[in-house]
Amino acid sequence: NAGVMQNPRHLVRRRGQEARLRCSPMKGHSHVYWYRQLPEEGLKFMVYLQKENIIDESGMPKERFSAEFPKEGPSILRIQQVVRGDSAAYFCASSPRSVSGGAADTQYFGPGTRLTVL
Amino acid sequence: GENVEQHPSTLSVQEGDSAVIKCTYSDSASNYFPWYKQELGKRPQLIIDIRSNVGEKKDQRIAVTLNKTAKHFSLHITETQPEDSAVYFCAALGYGGYNKLIFGAGTRLAVHP
Repeated sequence: NAGVMQNPRHLVRRRGQEARLRCSPMKGHSHVYWYRQLPEEGLKFMVYLQKENIIDESGMPKERFSAEFPKEGPSILRIQQVVRGDSAAYFCASSPRSVSGGAADTQYFGPGTRLTVL
Repeated sequence: GENVEQHPSTLSVQEGDSAVIKCTYSDSASNYFPWYKQELGKRPQLIIDIRSNVGEKKDQRIAVTLNKTAKHFSLHITETQPEDSAVYFCAALGYGGYNKLIFGAGTRLAVHP
């Protein structure tokens, strides 16, 4: 029973390049969340997606960042024209369903992608 | 906006002692409060969670208490062991009912043999 998968685990980019981070949710989970963790800090929400829909992107910078979760394949977090301040660990989490007036579902985290921008 | 404050930022205890970490949240609509343990370079792992319809939950050496009126919740670890050493994060479900977790800044727990 595979957990949340993320790749690559480590990614090095030079300033101005693009970074693509991939996340495959747990089997049976159709909801994906991306969080960013700066060194020595907590996790900050970026975006919440369901298949083919962005539900909440309130934590994602308006420029250079985008996310998708296509009908087939993993969720992708894309960072264009990376800058040094983008260096962080990016974690993906998944859950089986969204809140609908009842209890929330547990989010299970992947191993993260550690992005280093030179 | 939504905010979760966590204290202390670091905690050092002797093996066998208890450890308590406290969090307060700002959104009175929050109804789900998980705690995650993160070891260095690893993923956050859920260790316990509590929903707003209960005031306390226990799982072996770990317990969480929730005071909705005061908007705070706490993690209690009894009989601490060196392998409990890690960073612990509290979180609260964000505004609007979406599964947006708002995390505290973390507590670095060190358990000394």
